[in-house]
Amino acid sequence: EDKVVQSPLSLVVHEGDTVTLNCSYEVTNFRSLLWYKQEKKAPTFLFMLTSSGIEKKSGRLSSILDKKELFSILNITATQTGDSAVYLCAGRGSQGNLIFGKGTKLSVKP
Amino acid sequence: GAVVSQHPSWVICKSGTSVKIECRSLDFQATTMFWYRQFPKQSLMLMATSNEGSKATYEQGVEKDKFLINHASLTLSTLTVTSAHPEDSSFYICSANTEIAGAWTDTQYFGPGTRLTVL
Repeated sequence: EDKVVQSPLSLVVHEGDTVTLNCSYEVTNFRSLLWYKQEKKAPTFLFMLTSSGIEKKSGRLSSILDKKELFSILNITATQTGDSAVYLCAGRGSQGNLIFGKGTKLSVKP
Repeated sequence: GAVVSQHPSWVICKSGTSVKIECRSLDFQATTMFWYRQFPKQSLMLMATSNEGSKATYEQGVEKDKFLINHASLTLSTLTVTSAHPEDSSFYICSANTEIAGAWTDTQYFGPGTRLTVL
């Protein structure tokens, strides 16, 4: 059975801290792994990872995929209160189906 | 726990026909379900929010008469794309959340999505 597990479920940090969010996956015919940030309405797309070991960066956010160990991490450096959100990861199979994790709720305190 | 399924996972139809997509919460009661459409470059757009037993709330720009949403029970919501056209081809995803001990939780449980191809 396909599944995506994120950890931790919830995290509280102070501004300026660095956080690492984890995502492990078991997805049949895995094609890619996606990270989203959800604040209010629709999740906002962050990264799509298809190859192992290649870090993707966007400002203070970065992510990397390990296809051998079946996991990905999302790093956020110098966190700000605006980073407070639920971060979702999803594995995509060859049929296009997305298996979402339950998310990590990040709270950044001033 | 907290599994959301969608059916079908992939549907191909002719232009002008209607297609129904089901979203089910398998092991919990979903007081609220959300329907999203995925666009190129992986972005997700919220189409509508549906609460069991009441009319769905559509986001601005989403045609209510084209995308019919019915949330008839606490475990099932349906999205019907009426008179589908090729531009409706997309990946449609639903999610659901629920109440625990009378409190609404903000955790959303996502379905695997349905790929719609309109020829």
